[in-house]
Amino acid sequence: TQLLEQSPQFLSIQEGENLTVYCNSSSVFSSLQWYRQEPGEGPVLLVTVVTGGEVKKLKRLTFQFGDARKDSSLHITAAQPGDTGLYLCAGFPISGTALIFGKGTTLSVSS
Amino acid sequence: DARVTQTPRHKVTEMGQEVTMRCQPILGHNTVFWYRQTMMQGLELLAYFRNRAPLDDSGMPKDRFSAEMPDATLATLKIQPSEPRDSAVYFCASGLVTGTAQETQYFGPGTRLLVL
Repeated sequence: TQLLEQSPQFLSIQEGENLTVYCNSSSVFSSLQWYRQEPGEGPVLLVTVVTGGEVKKLKRLTFQFGDARKDSSLHITAAQPGDTGLYLCAGFPISGTALIFGKGTTLSVSS
Repeated sequence: DARVTQTPRHKVTEMGQEVTMRCQPILGHNTVFWYRQTMMQGLELLAYFRNRAPLDDSGMPKDRFSAEMPDATLATLKIQPSEPRDSAVYFCASGLVTGTAQETQYFGPGTRLLVL
């Protein structure tokens, strides 16, 4: 069974702080996606990373795909209350046909 | 602005009752997914369809759950009979798969189910 482990599970920080969320697996993925989910809504795609070592930036968010395509990280610079939500990573297995989701990291940013 | 719609948004029912959840995928999308989300298990894939044909329903309890796509604009997920352990948020998502391209999944707002 292919699993994606996310850490930390919960994160509570002050506005302006930096943070990093990790997504790890023992399996190789052809690509990996990050989603953000707000209360009462469905997940919304933030980014897809495909190439090992790839780095993508989305304003204050930086996403990195591990060289071996087994792990990924999301770094947020100068967090804001609007960043509050559940962050999910999801990977496409090499031999699979459907996304596998991690359990998510719940981020709370207070002002 | 195209969106996946789900009905109902909330459902409270008693154990043993039938529950039907509906999803309208984004027009033109050829793949539809059903997920269940709980605090303990996170987001779990129950089943998915491509061009209305079921591709994988291995994540779904077969004895009580069924998923269908009567037409390209409607996907349904039924639970009969429902049990308290089915309480969760059920999400539908749709996407467009062409060749080997990895699709982006667009999620609906979910149906929050509580079985008493």
